[in-house]
Amino acid sequence: DAKTTQPNSMESNEEEPVHLPCNHSTISGTDYIHWYRQLPSQGPEYVIHGLTSNVNNRMASLAIAEDRKSSTLILHRATLRDAAVYYCILRDRQAGTALIFGKGTTLSVSS
Amino acid sequence: NAGVTQTPKFQVLKTGQSMTLQCAQDMNHNSMYWYRQDPGMGLRLIYYSASEGTTDKGEVPNGYNVSRLNKREFSLRLESAAPSQTSVYFCASSEAGQGPRPQHFGDGTRLSIL
Repeated sequence: DAKTTQPNSMESNEEEPVHLPCNHSTISGTDYIHWYRQLPSQGPEYVIHGLTSNVNNRMASLAIAEDRKSSTLILHRATLRDAAVYYCILRDRQAGTALIFGKGTTLSVSS
Repeated sequence: NAGVTQTPKFQVLKTGQSMTLQCAQDMNHNSMYWYRQDPGMGLRLIYYSASEGTTDKGEVPNGYNVSRLNKREFSLRLESAAPSQTSVYFCASSEAGQGPRPQHFGDGTRLSIL
């Protein structure tokens, strides 16, 4: 699986949008882009995934660059509960289903 | 909504002791996984089971054994615990098949080995 690069940490204020970047310059054509988050003292939680087109769900939006070498997870209105470590993970659709986690981005949200 | 249930939540062992970590899921998922997470690090795969009756090694399998008891349950055993195995252990499950099947995680077992 190709590697991803994320900032170590980011800060946000409550009720403001948050844009979490991820670089994956060596992404292959069969790699899906996944985002998980891990709240304090909990297991990781699936957030969203995409291949080429932008994706929206109830939790977040995923914006994928046209060349697919980067993507951005968008939280439209941050809440205190969104404070977590966010992981950007590439998964080849042909590979086994294990996830390879990096260190992720620690998001802090202030009231 | 139970999802993935891990027991125990906390455990302290002495070096050389053995222990089995239990994991059960109620989502009828075929695939199950064991990860460990060390402080400040992402999760690393220990073992996984693509379906009932099969198990495969992940990135860090040394010192561990697993048993896929049935479709619901996947246990992780430490035969002779070592301080380097002090970690938080997460179990996960997902639907079978290739492609982007989300994994569902338990809340972890925090294991300390003295």
